[in-house]
Amino acid sequence: GAGVSQSPSNKVTEKGKDVELRCDPISGHTALYWYRQSLGQGLEFLIYFQGNSAPDKSGLPSDRFSAERTGGSVSTLTIQRTQQEDSAVYLCASSLVGTVSNQPQHFGDGTRLSIL
Amino acid sequence: AQSVTQLDSHVSVSEGTPVLLRCNYSSSYSPSLFWYVQHPNKGLQLLLKYTSAATLVKGINGFEAEFKKSETSFHLTKPSAHMSDAAEYFCVVSDLSTSGTYKYIFGTGTRLKVLA
Repeated sequence: GAGVSQSPSNKVTEKGKDVELRCDPISGHTALYWYRQSLGQGLEFLIYFQGNSAPDKSGLPSDRFSAERTGGSVSTLTIQRTQQEDSAVYLCASSLVGTVSNQPQHFGDGTRLSIL
Repeated sequence: AQSVTQLDSHVSVSEGTPVLLRCNYSSSYSPSLFWYVQHPNKGLQLLLKYTSAATLVKGINGFEAEFKKSETSFHLTKPSAHMSDAAEYFCVVSDLSTSGTYKYIFGTGTRLKVLA
């Protein structure tokens, strides 16, 4: 079946521009996660959505980062006024539910963001 | 809070020889543990998961892991390495957050190199 889909796969933009990254989770998965993966920093949790509950935004590094999930499905991660330190791979994952410990997360192939 | 430690940042093996990737965890209760593999420019793919049903867990592509509570370890093994196994491997524990949902805690990764 279809996995987690992310677009674009690569994005190059100039410092100061806004970017939007899209994630389409596996159908029926109620939990959706965004992570950032950068050299030397490993995998960082950014934000988590579970159904219609308020998202857990505890991992967002600054107020330039925001995310929404419309209709409980597709999610968009927005970075405003991009900085060079935002360059990284942004990974999205989904799972059936986020309230059960043994539910595995399924990852997309990520968006590689480069800020010039 | 739970944590995982991957004891080796790099491991090199010859093709056809056994693979051992080490992971130790800390947990105050019975954890859910996972191993993921990440090939270049790809997302994380689930290899296997431990959820207390059996201590020896078999995964995809011939990998398996053994949960040893007395040693707080969850090492990943494969009897015979293949060139296609060259990738980065992540040990993950699922941790209960203050919001009542489960988040992944990632190890720092082990890069496996397979020599011809």
